[in-house]
Amino acid sequence: QKEVEQNSGPLSVPEGAIASLNCTYSDRVSQSFFWYRQYSGKSPELIMSIYSNGDKEDGRFTAQLNKASQYVSLLIRDSQPSDSATYLCAVNLRDSSYKLIFGSGTRLLVRP
Amino acid sequence: DAMVIQNPRYQVTQFGKPVTLSCSQTLNHNVMYWYQQKSSQAPKLLFHYYDKDFNNEADTPDNFQSRRPNTSFCFLDIRSPGLGDAAMYLCATSTGLYNEQFFGPGTRLTVL
Repeated sequence: QKEVEQNSGPLSVPEGAIASLNCTYSDRVSQSFFWYRQYSGKSPELIMSIYSNGDKEDGRFTAQLNKASQYVSLLIRDSQPSDSATYLCAVNLRDSSYKLIFGSGTRLLVRP
Repeated sequence: DAMVIQNPRYQVTQFGKPVTLSCSQTLNHNVMYWYQQKSSQAPKLLFHYYDKDFNNEADTPDNFQSRRPNTSFCFLDIRSPGLGDAAMYLCATSTGLYNEQFFGPGTRLTVL
């Protein structure tokens, strides 16, 4: 099993809809979880971080963490065409390796 | 604004000709990272510095070296670039190993 798994997509949603992006991870000890947005040809941009179970909201973005199920998700409300990008889930492995492990990303397409 | 800067943004080199990529930060972060990202793949960690302590990933080729002469600057040296080294090279910084990482704009390396 990969350490951080995401559906590669593309996930296609109409403008104004809710986009739901999912990520599972393998390490029960992980404590830090991040979502990055990456436009084609650009570098990753941090959009959300979450550390405890439950929901964290920031504007149109909501991150949801369920450590028991080893699952983290990102909801984007009122999706806009400018949200079209690849969304990378990243998890810090809280063991001696310290690394931020990235999923391979989910490509989101928001149709006007 | 505090930021992570990478130069150059685009670098073209010839097969086997050494190249140096640079990264600077005004965030005063302790940790600096170098990642390699190829098309449609997750960023791959090459190495990181925690202050002056250097940490090399086990699978980072010997062809890749790094220097951090001071807190603000970090360099990636590729001694003999091969065609397979063509990629986006990303520099990131964080305050600590388990904290959010902030990426620079990246350097796109082309090897002819």
